[in-house]
Amino acid sequence: DTAVSQTPKYLVTQMGNDKSIKCEQNLGHDTMYWYKQDSKKFLKIMFSYNNKELIINETVPNRFSPKSPDKAHLNLHINSLELGDSAVYFCASSGTGGLDTQYFGPGTRLTVL
Amino acid sequence: GENVEQHPSTLSVQEGDSAVIKCTYSDSASNYFPWYKQELGKRPQLIIDIRSNVGEKKDQRIAVTLNKTAKHFSLHITETQPEDSAVYFCAATYTGRRALTFGSGTRLQVQP
Repeated sequence: DTAVSQTPKYLVTQMGNDKSIKCEQNLGHDTMYWYKQDSKKFLKIMFSYNNKELIINETVPNRFSPKSPDKAHLNLHINSLELGDSAVYFCASSGTGGLDTQYFGPGTRLTVL
Repeated sequence: GENVEQHPSTLSVQEGDSAVIKCTYSDSASNYFPWYKQELGKRPQLIIDIRSNVGEKKDQRIAVTLNKTAKHFSLHITETQPEDSAVYFCAATYTGRRALTFGSGTRLQVQP
């Protein structure tokens, strides 16, 4: 009965490759997010979606392309991976309005070699 | 845009002591302030939150205070226990923004 799940948990890949991370929530939430946590533990919003529509894109390089096939899923595709993309990526979801609790997924640790 | 500053970056206390973590925010429109706890290798989890229509909220050993005039809010943990050891993040947002702006985190170590 996992609320927010992500796959894979770990991703190790070479520079220049393309990879995807998948996220699913079973909470019935309308809003989903991608956050990036770097090696210094800073947590920063990348994207937020509401009812499958992109709401926020926080100056993320266009190598990152989120896709929301339905309200329960938000995937993140990354092209031409760079060393600086190494981080933990967290998916999250919440009810509508932005003032509801955000529930985080377990994170995907991406390592680019 | 919103900027959230958090202090201290590390905090070490003896078991049973109190711990206080402070945050300031820049956007006066912010009206929701959650606190998250992140254990090593785990996801951030909400421990308490406060909305701008209240000045203080308490849940057992954890309390949060908000001063809207000064634009700062604080987390208070009383009777700390070793299992409180983690990284704590404050965050802020406002109605309709649909994203949290996080502080830089505080690593709390509770010494048995």
